[in-house]
Amino acid sequence: KQEVTQIPAALSVPEGENLVLNCSFTDSAIYNLQWFRQDPGKGLTSLLLIQSSQREQTSGRLNASLDKSSGRSTLYIAASQPGDSATYLCAVRPQAAGNKLTFGGGTRVLVKP
Amino acid sequence: NAGVMQNPRHLVRRRGQEARLRCSPMKGHSHVYWYRQLPEEGLKFMVYLQKENIIDESGMPKERFSAEFPKEGPSILRIQQVVRGDSAAYFCASSPSGVRTYEQYFGPGTRLTVT
Repeated sequence: KQEVTQIPAALSVPEGENLVLNCSFTDSAIYNLQWFRQDPGKGLTSLLLIQSSQREQTSGRLNASLDKSSGRSTLYIAASQPGDSATYLCAVRPQAAGNKLTFGGGTRVLVKP
Repeated sequence: NAGVMQNPRHLVRRRGQEARLRCSPMKGHSHVYWYRQLPEEGLKFMVYLQKENIIDESGMPKERFSAEFPKEGPSILRIQQVVRGDSAAYFCASSPSGVRTYEQYFGPGTRLTVT
């Protein structure tokens, strides 16, 4: 059974500092891994999706890496801003047939001005 | 192109009542997924449906919960005889068919409170 863990559960940094969010998963047989952002009381916004054959994906200040063999992904957010304050979730999709996502518990980020 | 729509956004039910949550997928999407987020927990998969078919219901509680996605109209998640433990945020996602079926787009969620 796939389990996804995110550490730390919460993170507080001053504005301008780089953020490093970690995600680990127990079963390396994944199709892809996705990072989402969730604002309080809102839905999920997809940030980056990494296919199992890829090592990283970049979008603006965001960079996500994937090491499938060790079951790890890291989301880097450069030069953090107060607007980056949110909960960040990672989710994996299995290689097996079916399309359900298994989510981690999330990392709650606070960027202080 | 409107995103995934869910209604109501907030729903209050007394114990023992029924809750009906609706999800309209993005235009052109024929796959719908329901996830539940309990307080202070991550999202947990409940059910995956295509039009008129349940594909995977491995995350659905065995009793009181049911889901449908009819040929016409929104997908419905139905919870009968709600209990306090059903209080959670319920998120719907949709995806297109074909090679991009793995791209799930999420709705804003329905927050169910059972009193």
